[in-house]
Amino acid sequence: GAGVSQSPSNKVTEKGKDVELRCDPISGHTALYWYRQSLGQGLEFLIYFQGNSAPDKSGLPSDRFSAERTGGSVSTLTIQRTQQEDSAVYLCASSLGRGGETQYFGPGTRLLVL
Amino acid sequence: KNQVEQSPQSLIILEGKNCTLQCNYTVSPFSNLRWYKQDTGRGPVSLTIMTFSENTKSNGRYTATLDADTKQSSLHITASQLSDSASYICVVREGTGANNLFFGTGTRLTVIP
Repeated sequence: GAGVSQSPSNKVTEKGKDVELRCDPISGHTALYWYRQSLGQGLEFLIYFQGNSAPDKSGLPSDRFSAERTGGSVSTLTIQRTQQEDSAVYLCASSLGRGGETQYFGPGTRLLVL
Repeated sequence: KNQVEQSPQSLIILEGKNCTLQCNYTVSPFSNLRWYKQDTGRGPVSLTIMTFSENTKSNGRYTATLDADTKQSSLHITASQLSDSASYICVVREGTGANNLFFGTGTRLTVIP
């Protein structure tokens, strides 16, 4: 596709369950970012992948959060033992990866933990 | 501490009117500043990018200004349309790293007929 895609678009889960969120970046973009956006809050950085380098995980809020990027393309954000405070929109963005260039965002996954 | 603050938090204007959104930052060293538009239920989309040497840049009815001395930026929307209703997010990049981004919390603009 022409843009960044994310799936699912919406996810409702019970507290304590694990969830997986998927991001398909723009083809050829070596940089991939995950952000969390809570209601009325700014974007909160979670994790950053750049090519084959070790990811920057400094934004992950707890060890329940993890992410992978396979083959330098698709990425999966996993939240284990979800809590109600995990409810938010999870946005993925990709960029060419040379630094300073535009990030292209996906539509996000809206996660609701009951 | 690197921060980005936006004002107002929300704004309601009549269709056809102009408005100005503000972004103040303390990010240093400064690399660039972007304004993004985020429609409800969508991801943010870049409107403009301002570098240190640029004072003003236009994109259609959107005009961004930057005062690097006072560390302030504004986004002026002319002749607003209903489709301008969205959140506008100011993002400042620090230094040269690809991941040194600081996000404002956004201004929620509602344009009413």
